Amino acid sequence: DTAVSQTPKYLVTQMGNDKSIKCEQNLGHDTMYWYKQDSKKFLKIMFSYNNKELIINETVPNRFSPKSPDKAHLNLHINSLELGDSAVYFCASSQGTSGYQETQYFGPGTRLLVL
Amino acid sequence: QKEVEQDPGPLSVPEGAIVSLNCTYSNSAFQYFMWYRQYSRKGPELLMYTYSSGNKEDGRFTAQVDKSSKYISLFIRDSQPSDSATYLCAMRFPGRRALTFGSGTRLQVQP
Repeated sequence: DTAVSQTPKYLVTQMGNDKSIKCEQNLGHDTMYWYKQDSKKFLKIMFSYNNKELIINETVPNRFSPKSPDKAHLNLHINSLELGDSAVYFCASSQGTSGYQETQYFGPGTRLLVL
Repeated sequence: QKEVEQDPGPLSVPEGAIVSLNCTYSNSAFQYFMWYRQYSRKGPELLMYTYSSGNKEDGRFTAQVDKSSKYISLFIRDSQPSDSATYLCAMRFPGRRALTFGSGTRLQVQP
């Protein structure tokens, strides 16, 4: 069973379009995250939700809007896609205790290419 | 200056070699340190987790943290071709869930 899954795996689209990426975790975790990995492999936090509540919102253009319908799902909607949005987007989840044993589990990633 | 610095490599070693991967960080408030392994076109997977200075061993892997120098290392003994991947260091502040990553070091183990 896949612990953290993302759809789609690949997304090729034109500049200006709107697209969504979905994430689901079956680990029973309370916290989910979106990270962006650029072409140089640098992973950076974008958002985090804990029990459907937004708890981390880094400096991300407001074209990016996360939504958590329940604690097992976290979606990312991107409006008016730009060339610079091309990257791999990773979803992750964790138990959500912030304690020293907190471990994040990552999904396989969604490769977004904006043409 | 990035909060976490990591040499991007690539680092190429022969099979059986001891590999040393390193990260430095600038913010002494980081308290929890992790090493993730990422195979090509896959998500990062957690290898090692430590929250104190000193060494932590797990099989062929040893994680080392030196908080006074703000320096962490991952050692891989008897490296195998299957260890070929990008290794990402990550760290976290107490009470904060988000991870801050290094840029990753690409390792190639030649058979």
